Amino acid sequence: LAKTTQPISMDSYEGQEVNITCSHNNIATNDYITWYQQFPSQGPRFIIQGYKTKVTNEVASLFIPADRKSSTLSLPRVSLSDTAVYYCLVGNFGNEKLTFGTGTRLTIIP
Amino acid sequence: DAGVTQSPTHLIKTRGQQVTLRCSPISGHKSVSWYQQVLGQGPQFIFQYYEKEERGRGNFPDRFSARQFPNYSSELNVNALLLGDSALYLCASSLHRTGEKLFFGSGTQLSVL
Repeated sequence: LAKTTQPISMDSYEGQEVNITCSHNNIATNDYITWYQQFPSQGPRFIIQGYKTKVTNEVASLFIPADRKSSTLSLPRVSLSDTAVYYCLVGNFGNEKLTFGTGTRLTIIP
Repeated sequence: DAGVTQSPTHLIKTRGQQVTLRCSPISGHKSVSWYQQVLGQGPQFIFQYYEKEERGRGNFPDRFSARQFPNYSSELNVNALLLGDSALYLCASSLHRTGEKLFFGSGTQLSVL
């Protein structure tokens, strides 16, 4: 299972775009990249998933370069409610042992 | 539709006791996974069940066991509780096998005294 590396913490002001980068140098050919968000005392919540290039949904964008050794989660115009821990996971469908790292603690400043 | 539901929400036990945690997946989801999350760390994989069979097991001792029922609900059992078992226990369901989009419950906060 590919190991991921993320910044431990990040701060940003309300209204700015936030980019969180995840490094996964050993990603396998059939691995997907998935990001989850977690608030205190709650379970993680799926944000976005992708394999290559760019994926966009109503809450975020995911940028994956051609070599797929890293990925960037982009949150547009963040608000205080985006303060949470963000996890980057790498794995393939059928991989039962998905592993979460320590995540990135994002704090939004008013 | 209801999301993933877990019970109880909070539990206090003493060392050496046994505990059973329960999880009901989203309707139609056949896969249930259990995770342990210690304060300040990411969730750690314990078990995955799919179609009532164990499909994966993390690095946890045999004191941890689980099962999945015909209605796809699941129980996690922990015997001979240790202080280090204090954690948030999360259940996640998915439509098929783990690896795709997981839906998590709010967890059971277990405190072992």
